Amino acid sequence: DQQVKQNSPSLSVQEGRISILNCDYTNSMFDYFLWYKKYPAEGPTFLISISSIKDKNEDGRFTVFLNKSAKHLSLHIVPSQPGDSAVYFCAASEGGGADGLTFGKGTHLIIQP
Amino acid sequence: NAGVMQNPRHLVRRRGQEARLRCSPMKGHSHVYWYRQLPEEGLKFMVYLQKENIIDESGMPKERFSAEFPKEGPSILRIQQVVRGDSAAYFCASSPVGQETQYFGPGTRLLVL
Repeated sequence: DQQVKQNSPSLSVQEGRISILNCDYTNSMFDYFLWYKKYPAEGPTFLISISSIKDKNEDGRFTVFLNKSAKHLSLHIVPSQPGDSAVYFCAASEGGGADGLTFGKGTHLIIQP
Repeated sequence: NAGVMQNPRHLVRRRGQEARLRCSPMKGHSHVYWYRQLPEEGLKFMVYLQKENIIDESGMPKERFSAEFPKEGPSILRIQQVVRGDSAAYFCASSPVGQETQYFGPGTRLLVL
């Protein structure tokens, strides 16, 4: 039973355009959400996070939106750059202090020149 | 400013041997987490430790797997009598007290022949 779902295994976007990666969750106890970026043969790199008390968090080219009623979050990257080509993982935590993260299966983002 | 360190980066074992994976958290981080990633899958939480304590091992297989984080030295994930199904990438993450963001190491790729 997957509690965090990333339904698009891959996404292709032209350089300079907006990339939108989506994530759905089923566990209503999740209250902290994170996005990680991963290159092959490397560990995940933290990108941005959002607490359930917010609906938007922005950091440079990255913005995460949270829709709690729909149990949906998205990561927007604008403008997309070639170095953004990687696998992006959505993760969630039940909070209440440190907790093991529940990950989606990832979306492979390909930025086309 | 060293990040999370893991060694070895690659480990080859024959069926029935033991595998020991080591993780040194970021400086100032007292929480350590271990995750496993199978091919084409997301990361799966295994265990959460603080110094000399296992806080949550709900993701650990019941047999052959153990983890420790001693007062001195790195955290160790130990897999006894490895089987081919243990072949995976094992990632360690750390976080400081009171923060939910986890920072990942580069991983250990275990191959069981």
